[in-house]
Amino acid sequence: LAKTTQPISMDSYEGQEVNITCSHNNIATNDYITWYQQFPSQGPRFIIQGYKTKVTNEVASLFIPADRKSSTLSLPRVSLSDTAVYYCLVGGSNYQLIWGAGTKLIIKP
Amino acid sequence: ETGVTQTPRHLVMGMTNKKSLKCEQHLGHNAMYWYKQSAKKPLELMFVYNFKEQTENNSVPSRFSPECPNSSHLFLHLHTLQPEDSALYLCASSLKERVSTDTQYFGPGTRLTVL
Repeated sequence: LAKTTQPISMDSYEGQEVNITCSHNNIATNDYITWYQQFPSQGPRFIIQGYKTKVTNEVASLFIPADRKSSTLSLPRVSLSDTAVYYCLVGGSNYQLIWGAGTKLIIKP
Repeated sequence: ETGVTQTPRHLVMGMTNKKSLKCEQHLGHNAMYWYKQSAKKPLELMFVYNFKEQTENNSVPSRFSPECPNSSHLFLHLHTLQPEDSALYLCASSLKERVSTDTQYFGPGTRLTVL
């Protein structure tokens, strides 16, 4: 059974780069990897999506190695407002969507 | 503002009550989803509707009954719930149904407490 695993929590400081890794050993050939951000009292919000290698947008980068069994969300120069829970989602093919349990990121001043 | 609204935002109900959760999306999407979010657990996909037709029911107990009258509205009818059903219930929509590259847009959720 496909499963995604990510750290329960992480701490960092303002201005630092933060990397959150998700493990998805059983990823299917047609699956994409998507990361969402969730603040308290809100639903998850899309951050970035990729299939392989590296993807970058205005808020984050996503690194996916050749075997695609893991992925790393990179947040450059974090601020206090980046404190949130970050979810890794794998799937889409075969109508399967596999969510991770989320990583609670706390940014300190 | 994601274009997906949910009401009510908070709901407290007894185990014998009947209540309904409402979701509306203003994005012109064709697929809508109900998720259950419990603390420190992955999001649990409950129901999927595509073009108003239910395409998935992930072994959800019959005390949860979904309704999708059109592509913009989704309801979750609740009756004789158990305390373990207390959770955040999230509605989401996407342009297509669970396509790999389709982004899901979530509402703010309904925080449900069953006494």
